[in-house]
Amino acid sequence: QTAVTQEPSFSVSPGGTVTLTCGLGSGSVSTSHYPSWYQQTPGQAPRTLIYATNTRSSGVPDRFSGSILGNKAALTITGAQADDECDYYCMLYMGSAIWAFGGGTKLTVL
Amino acid sequence: QVQLVQSGAEEKKPGDSVTVSCKASGYTFTAYYIHWVRQAPGQGLEWMGRINPNNGGSNYVDKFQGRVTMTRDTSISTVYMDLNRLTSDDTAVYYCARDGASNMYFQLWGQGTLVTVSS
Repeated sequence: QTAVTQEPSFSVSPGGTVTLTCGLGSGSVSTSHYPSWYQQTPGQAPRTLIYATNTRSSGVPDRFSGSILGNKAALTITGAQADDECDYYCMLYMGSAIWAFGGGTKLTVL
Repeated sequence: QVQLVQSGAEEKKPGDSVTVSCKASGYTFTAYYIHWVRQAPGQGLEWMGRINPNNGGSNYVDKFQGRVTMTRDTSISTVYMDLNRLTSDDTAVYYCARDGASNMYFQLWGQGTLVTVSS
């Protein structure tokens, strides 16, 4: 099964903009993979941020946006805040009723 | 209130089996698939499989084929995940998660259940 890839870590300054990506070990990510993004703070269940590439889940601020950039899915956070510091996971639909998560990106805001 | 409530933490020995339950409330139980996702300590999320509460049909990722079984009891709106032949590598927090309207993402998560496998 093709691996789903994410940057292991990323840093952003408070108020800055960061783009996290989600790729495939072989091939390109498209809207047909229905990329979704989840935010997880330590000890908590994941929280759904984005689904179907670019649709924000209920209650998610518009600082979070999703897109396809080149051959990857992307999560962009604008105006980064201290409480954005946590782990972010992408998930892709791999076909044949199989889903796969990326390894996650640990975001630091400093 | 729309929610998924999971059973409590479990401690098991290698070779044992474990059953984790996930009780749904606040919505039509049979209308949405339930998925199971696990997270080993310090590691990422891992999709295990899903079950259709309407007809009990399920599918699992290859890694867990033959070792995991997902079932449901519609009378009490509860899904179960059974994992057998446990090893220390199965030590993880297990989450149930409900589909969103498009069935292509997870909209609602349980609180997680820690399963510890140790001799």
